[in-house]
Amino acid sequence: GQQLNQSPQSMFIQEGEDVSMNCTSSSIFNTWLWYKQDPGEGPVLLIALYKAGELTSNGRLTAQFGITRKDSFLNISASIPSDVGIYFCAGPSDPNNNDMRFGAGTRLTVKP
Amino acid sequence: DGGITQSPKYLFRKEGQNVTLSCEQNLNHDAMYWYRQDPGQGLRLIYYSQIVNDFQKGDIAEGYSVSREKKESFPLTVTSAQKNPTAFYLCASSIVNRAEAFFGQGTRLTVV
Repeated sequence: GQQLNQSPQSMFIQEGEDVSMNCTSSSIFNTWLWYKQDPGEGPVLLIALYKAGELTSNGRLTAQFGITRKDSFLNISASIPSDVGIYFCAGPSDPNNNDMRFGAGTRLTVKP
Repeated sequence: DGGITQSPKYLFRKEGQNVTLSCEQNLNHDAMYWYRQDPGQGLRLIYYSQIVNDFQKGDIAEGYSVSREKKESFPLTVTSAQKNPTAFYLCASSIVNRAEAFFGQGTRLTVV
């Protein structure tokens, strides 16, 4: 199946710093999703993107659907300790959205 | 409250035993999914179902079985044929043909 390459694998930042992570695919995606997973819990949907070039915000989070439709970016501004967790990008590999592919995740650590 | 519930949170089994993981949702979603998560990896699709009494294999279906007798329920059985069953298992649901999936809190299975 299609692979989603997510980078960086991990980030260690100071509270208050901005964070940027990205996800790329070898194939075109029609939808990009960003999830956050806290330790021992299920992922929670943060942002969904539906068309190329779209820029969507959710509080301090901003995500963009790349123009090529093969990449997406997630930015977190003014990080706080509760931003700690693993962030996953995801997208459906088929037009009917049945087969969701996930990146390997970016593990974020925020130092107070 | 609407949501998706997995039980139990933690499960221990002896090698060679079959074990069934429960997943129930009251979101009125037609589509349900099972994913496996290993440390440092993204989620991998085991099985999915778009309608009662029908389900499809994902990338890593070998050693697993599912049933979908009710819209609300999608139990996963980890059989003795699964060579490395210890993992974190996540159930999700969505509106059919919509990418946005909502996850349960996961079941951590340990086989000793």
